[in-house]
Formats: sequence, structure tokens, C-alpha cells
Amino acid sequence: DAGVTQSPTHLIKTRGQHVTLRCSPISGHKSVSWYQQVLGQGPQFIFQYYEKEERGRGNFPDRFSARQFPNYSSELNVNALLLGDSALYLCASSLGDSRNEKLFFGSGTQLSVL
Amino acid sequence: QKEVEQDPGPLSVPEGAIVSLNCTYSNSAFQYFMWYRQYSRKGPELLMYTYSSGNKEDGRFTAQVDKSSKYISLFIRDSQPSDSATYLCAMSDYYNQGGKLIFGQGTELSVKP
Repeated sequence: DAGVTQSPTHLIKTRGQHVTLRCSPISGHKSVSWYQQVLGQGPQFIFQYYEKEERGRGNFPDRFSARQFPNYSSELNVNALLLGDSALYLCASSLGDSRNEKLFFGSGTQLSVL
Repeated sequence: QKEVEQDPGPLSVPEGAIVSLNCTYSNSAFQYFMWYRQYSRKGPELLMYTYSSGNKEDGRFTAQVDKSSKYISLFIRDSQPSDSATYLCAMSDYYNQGGKLIFGQGTELSVKP
């Protein structure tokens, strides 16, 4: 079975632009979470979606938004890009949204903002 | 103060050594503890998952949780060059819906042949 797939793998944008990152969860998984990982740091939670509903939001500005589709895939959108948004964006999927879920990560999208 | 503290290293050991990786945390509500391995430019890979206090062993890997001390460890026996990666501890609390993990900074490990 395929793991979590993310696209694109790399992206270069300029300040002020908008970006959309995509994620397909493991087959059968209904929950998707997004994380930002700045170089040299651990991943930081951005959003969780389960059954197309937002279940959690981290401490990120409103420029960050996401959604989940009926097939459980997800998009992360970032508006008005800043240099500080340069990071590896990781998507993780899990079967459900119970507290003991195991999260499985994709390889991420490396975003560079110039 | 960060909720989860992890020494970033780098840690360099000879092949065959026993490696000890550690994290401390401040939130007593944390109940679920994980270790992830991350190779360069890849996503984190789940290695170990434990609930509450105690030990768990899987092959060359042993995870320990001491909730009284708010301290978790990962031991790697007979380390191999292929173990060279960044190791991330992660935790979630009892009230978590399931998607939010709090990660440590990660420890960079290098195993020399």
C-alpha cells in the first residue's frame, strides 16, 4: 500500500505570493494533520482535519488555511508568503481522531520563499 | 520554556555502540510517547509508540517512559551506520483529539563504521 503522498516535493515562491500544498493519506485513513518543520527544529502542529471538519489548529496566523475533501485528501493554503514561511511542510495521516492515534508522515513539501 | 526539551547533539558514536537518546517534558497531561526517525530531506518515520510509563522493546530499540520524572529515553543497541539520522521524540496528552503531537527539537545521530 502507498504511504502518505505529498505534492509538490519542492516549491520556490516569492514574498507575497500564495501557495497550495496537497496531501493524500494512507488508504483507509480519515484524518489528516499538517505540520511545519523549520530547519533544525522539530515539526510544529498547524491543523488537523477529520471527516472534512477542522479538529485542531495550532498557533499559526490566519494566512494559513486548510481543507479536507470527501476522499480524505487535503490541501494546505498559505497566503501572503513571508520569508519565515520557508520550511518543510509535512502531512500526516491516521485512521481516526482518537487520542491514541499513530501518525504516519509523508516526505513533505520543501517550500522556499525568496 | 519549551514543553518538550531534547538535546540537539550532534551525537557521534562508533558502529556497535549502545546509543541513549533522551527527552524531558513539562506537561504532566502527556500520556502517549513516540519516537520518530527522520533521514535527511525525508518525513519522520514512526519507530516506537508507548502509552504511560514503562518499557517497550522492538528489536534493537527500547523505549522507556518515566512519568514521575517527566523523562523518556530511546536506546539503540548494536548501532549501525544506517541508524544515522535525526531522532525526534513526540508526545500527546489525554485531551488530544488525535492529530496534535508536540515534538522535541530532534537529536542528530551519526554512527561511524
